[in-house]
Amino acid sequence: GEDVEQSLFLSVREGDSSVINCTYTDSSSTYLYWYKQEPGAGLQLLTYIFSNMDMKQDQRLTVLLNKKDKHLSLRIADTQTGDSAIYFCADGENKLIFGSGTRLLVRP
Amino acid sequence: DTGVSQNPRHKITKRGQNVTFRCDPISEHNRLYWYRQTLGQGPEFLTYFQNEAQLEKSRLLSDRFSAERPKGSFSTLEIQRTEQGDSAMYLCASTWGQGAKTFGSGTRLTVV
Repeated sequence: GEDVEQSLFLSVREGDSSVINCTYTDSSSTYLYWYKQEPGAGLQLLTYIFSNMDMKQDQRLTVLLNKKDKHLSLRIADTQTGDSAIYFCADGENKLIFGSGTRLLVRP
Repeated sequence: DTGVSQNPRHKITKRGQNVTFRCDPISEHNRLYWYRQTLGQGPEFLTYFQNEAQLEKSRLLSDRFSAERPKGSFSTLEIQRTEQGDSAMYLCASTWGQGAKTFGSGTRLTVV
């Protein structure tokens, strides 16, 4: 069945770049998504990429998509303490399939 | 429009009781989704509606769960005879067509 996998944890120093990786199995989706979840809160859509694109940049966020390897990454430039959260990648045409999330910890 | 609204934010109930959650989607959105999220996991799809029609239900949605969207606007999710395993965050999302989904803040259910 469809599956999305992510590494569980990432720790970076404030000001450094963060890279969160994701692999997926369903190659038929039109879009792939990145969501952010802060403690006790719902999911906030961060960005998404159209499946026929390789890269999308949105201010401090860069999404890279490698369709051949079914690999998606999210790069956060100049990471701030406010970026500490859980990041989910999601795949799926209608009902989204989420990974287990990557907890990002930003150290001052 | 302030986004997707879910009520209540928190619900503590005794095992065996029935609970009902409400979701108010963004007004122009025709699709409404319910997800369940347990601790340390990503959200899992439960069911979705297009207008008032319930188009798909996950195998996770046992007979004790029922969802409605009677007028194609707000939706309710009811759990009958709650069990401790039902403790989770229940998330609602809405969208127009296949667009990006906007999530609510969720209802956290604790069954004691």
